[in-house]
Amino acid sequence: GNSVTQMEGPVTLSEEAFLTINCTYTATGYPSLFWYVQYPGEGLQLLLKATKADDKGSNKGFEATYRKETTSFHLEKGSVQVSDSAVYFCALIINDYKLSFGAGTTVTVRA
Amino acid sequence: SQTIHQWPATLVQPVGSPLSLECTVEGTSNPNLYWYRQAAGRGLQLLFYSVGIGQISSEVPQNLSASRPQDRQFILSSKKLLLSDSGFYLCAWSTNSELRRGYTFGSGTRLTVV
Repeated sequence: GNSVTQMEGPVTLSEEAFLTINCTYTATGYPSLFWYVQYPGEGLQLLLKATKADDKGSNKGFEATYRKETTSFHLEKGSVQVSDSAVYFCALIINDYKLSFGAGTTVTVRA
Repeated sequence: SQTIHQWPATLVQPVGSPLSLECTVEGTSNPNLYWYRQAAGRGLQLLFYSVGIGQISSEVPQNLSASRPQDRQFILSSKKLLLSDSGFYLCAWSTNSELRRGYTFGSGTRLTVV
């Protein structure tokens, strides 16, 4: 079946530090890949996406590149802010109706 | 533009009481609709999804049910709540033509069963 594995948290960083959250996937076929972000007490927001190999999604200073050869979609940000504190979910979808999520990674950025 | 509304935002209910959470989507027709639950400190669990009026697929057996009485309305219900039903409930929608765009989520309902 289709599945997503992302690094376990929690992750605690200082402001302006570099953030990487690893995400790998298993899928039959060619999935679209997503990163969602959940700020405290809120629903999920789409952060970025990539629909084919070598695509790079980017938004709010975050980037992730769809790597078919390593089945990965790692999330990166060069300089985090306190406002980036949130839970981050990696996800994939192929041709059915269901989005498969990773377990989520809690990120806390300290001033 | 499309919007999704979910209510109430928070709810405290006693064990054994009924539940009704509502979700509506505006600005699109024939959406796919989803209910997820997020237990405290845990990931997202797909509870139900619907690809059309009156069509409901259940992902896990449980104390909850879902209905879709109108094209853009999705309701999550229970006849008798359990303590284990506490959690953060999220509604989402997508379209068949744009599945690869992912889902759009509502703002969630935090349910506490006491």
